[in-house]
Amino acid sequence: DGGITQSPKYLFRKEGQNVTLSCEQNLNHDAMYWYRQDPGQGLRLIYYSQIVNDFQKGDIAEGYSVSREKKESFPLTVTSAQKNPTAFYLCASSIAQLPYEQYFGPGTRLTVT
Amino acid sequence: QKEVEQDPGPLSVPEGAIVSLNCTYSNSAFQYFMWYRQYSRKGPELLMYTYSSGNKEDGRFTAQVDKSSKYISLFIRDSQPSDSATYLCAMTYQAGTALIFGKGTTLSVSS
Repeated sequence: DGGITQSPKYLFRKEGQNVTLSCEQNLNHDAMYWYRQDPGQGLRLIYYSQIVNDFQKGDIAEGYSVSREKKESFPLTVTSAQKNPTAFYLCASSIAQLPYEQYFGPGTRLTVT
Repeated sequence: QKEVEQDPGPLSVPEGAIVSLNCTYSNSAFQYFMWYRQYSRKGPELLMYTYSSGNKEDGRFTAQVDKSSKYISLFIRDSQPSDSATYLCAMTYQAGTALIFGKGTTLSVSS
């Protein structure tokens, strides 16, 4: 079955630790995205990548880093510089041509205490 | 003014009602409009996709785009308890750019 997987579903970390969230897709999509969702805030873009070895900052990139070494994978690292890392993180992918529909993974709930 | 505005609700309706969900936007360059449904603690799933102005129907769902008014709508006919979720509008204007999302409207359909 084609789709997007994110692991783990729930993640707990102590303040000051870096943590990496996994995102893998087997849809053969060129573009991949990371969003953060907070209650009442909607989805906010962290980073996106249109092609391997290239990525762009979104609206709230500070305190986050990404890599895109393979087409299928787009891991997100939440660094200790992120002031409020507790949130629901969503990964998405799309083809680079019409109709630009984005397909989402199940999300990772990160809690930092 | 935010690029995309969406009333967060909550919106509560009885089973069988017609539901109207709406978004307004400010960027006239937006060409591609989508509606996502998100159940609690799950990733959003794509419901409807519309290009430019006009209507699109899929079963009980109808998406409508009015570019002259910068206004999009999603209508749900014969609403069911299983339609209870948060509905997010999203839009973009060119390939490879991220979607701009509304904050979502929470819908509750009671049986």
